[in-house]
Amino acid sequence: GNSVTQMEGPVTLSEEAFLTINCTYTATGYPSLFWYVQYPGEGLQLLLKATKADDKGSNKGFEATYRKETTSFHLEKGSVQVSDSAVYFCALSANSGYALNFGKGTSLLVTP
Amino acid sequence: DAGVIQSPRHEVTEMGQEVTLRCKPISGHDYLFWYRQTMMRGLELLIYFNNNVPIDDSGMPEDRFSAKMPNASFSTLKIQPSEPRDSAVYFCASSLRSGGKWYEQYFGPGTRLTVT
Repeated sequence: GNSVTQMEGPVTLSEEAFLTINCTYTATGYPSLFWYVQYPGEGLQLLLKATKADDKGSNKGFEATYRKETTSFHLEKGSVQVSDSAVYFCALSANSGYALNFGKGTSLLVTP
Repeated sequence: DAGVIQSPRHEVTEMGQEVTLRCKPISGHDYLFWYRQTMMRGLELLIYFNNNVPIDDSGMPEDRFSAKMPNASFSTLKIQPSEPRDSAVYFCASSLRSGGKWYEQYFGPGTRLTVT
C-alpha cells in the first residue's frame, strides 16, 4: 500500500539556521507529493506540492524536489524564522484517487 | 470565502453518549474528506465523498462511526456510542476536481473531541 515516512521530531533550530526534514514514500504508480503545515490550534495548510518526478515545489522560502530514484521529497529552507515553528506533514496522493496519505508529522521549534 | 467550517470546535462527552461532528465545505467543492488525528496514529483518512456520495469508507474504525453528506454544503460524522479511545482531533477537508485536474485540499480548524 501507499505510505509516507518522515523524520521524527521535535526539531529545534536557532533562527536563521538551515532546515531539512526528510520524507520518503512508498507508492504504486506515480503519486503527487505534498508538504502541509499545521500551526498551533489550526487546521492543515498546503505549503507546497510536486506532481511529477524532478518537479520542485516552493513556497515562502521552503523547497522540496520530487526524487523518484530515491522515492524522497525532503523539505528544506535556507534560513528559518521563529514564525516557522509548526508541525510539518509530508503526504502523497496516488493516481487512483485524491485521498491523502500522511506521514506522522515533524514538529519544528525555532528559537530566537 | 469563509473556508471549511467545522462545529463544534471542542466537544467533551461521557462514554456511551452520541457525538455528532459537523462540516460545511467550501462552496463549489465536490470532494469532502474526514480525517482523525491522534498522537499515536497521526492523521488518518476516515471516509471521503464525491458529489455527496461516499467513495471510500475503509478508514472508518468500526460500526460505531457513520458519516453522511445529505447535500453539497453539509456533512456529519457521528459516533454512537462514543468511547474514550475516540478522543482525537477530527478534521474535515474539501477540494475540487475540474477538467481532470486535482486542486488542493482545504482543511477546517478541526473538532477536538474528548470522551471521558
